[in-house]
Amino acid sequence: DQQVKQNSPSLSVQEGRISILNCDYTNSMFDYFLWYKKYPAEGPTFLISISSIKDKNEDGRFTVFLNKSAKHLSLHIVPSQPGDSAVYFCAASLYNFNKFYFGSGTKLNVKP
Amino acid sequence: NAGVTQTPKFQVLKTGQSMTLQCAQDMNHNSMYWYRQDPGMGLRLIYYSASEGTTDKGEVPNGYNVSRLNKREFSLRLESAAPSQTSVYFCASVRDGYQPQHFGDGTRLSIL
Repeated sequence: DQQVKQNSPSLSVQEGRISILNCDYTNSMFDYFLWYKKYPAEGPTFLISISSIKDKNEDGRFTVFLNKSAKHLSLHIVPSQPGDSAVYFCAASLYNFNKFYFGSGTKLNVKP
Repeated sequence: NAGVTQTPKFQVLKTGQSMTLQCAQDMNHNSMYWYRQDPGMGLRLIYYSASEGTTDKGEVPNGYNVSRLNKREFSLRLESAAPSQTSVYFCASVRDGYQPQHFGDGTRLSIL
């Protein structure tokens, strides 16, 4: 049973507009959440994270929002750029167990 | 500045053959992980090692064995390869606590 779900396999956005990627989780004990970006033939690279004591974290064009009551995580990219086209994975972990659970990924296509 | 290094990058095996995938990290990280990535399935944890000398099963351990050779190296062995093990394998490491994982670039394994 998947504990982290990304229900949109793909998303297409125009350059300059906002991209919103969503992620849901089932385990209320998760206390650390991450987004990774993956280009073809490369490993995932860390993008941004948030701990469960916060509801928002920003890093440049990237903002992650956490809604603990809804068990929902989202990544906003503003403005979107063609170089952002990649597969995005969300992940969640439990501090004491040092295990990470990944969603199935959303492929973002930013059109010029 | 190597980070996480995986060897080999590509491999083709015949059913029943064995092989070992190698992973090494130079960041003095405590925990190391092996994942497989299949289309639409995201990253699934095979085995992980929370510290030198310990290993634990993940979501999909059947058909695999691991060795945490020292703090730097974590290998994954397929004793008798099966076509269902055709996948892209990623190794990752993390220091501890609220830190993101660092990934290697993957090993693309095909079993005929």
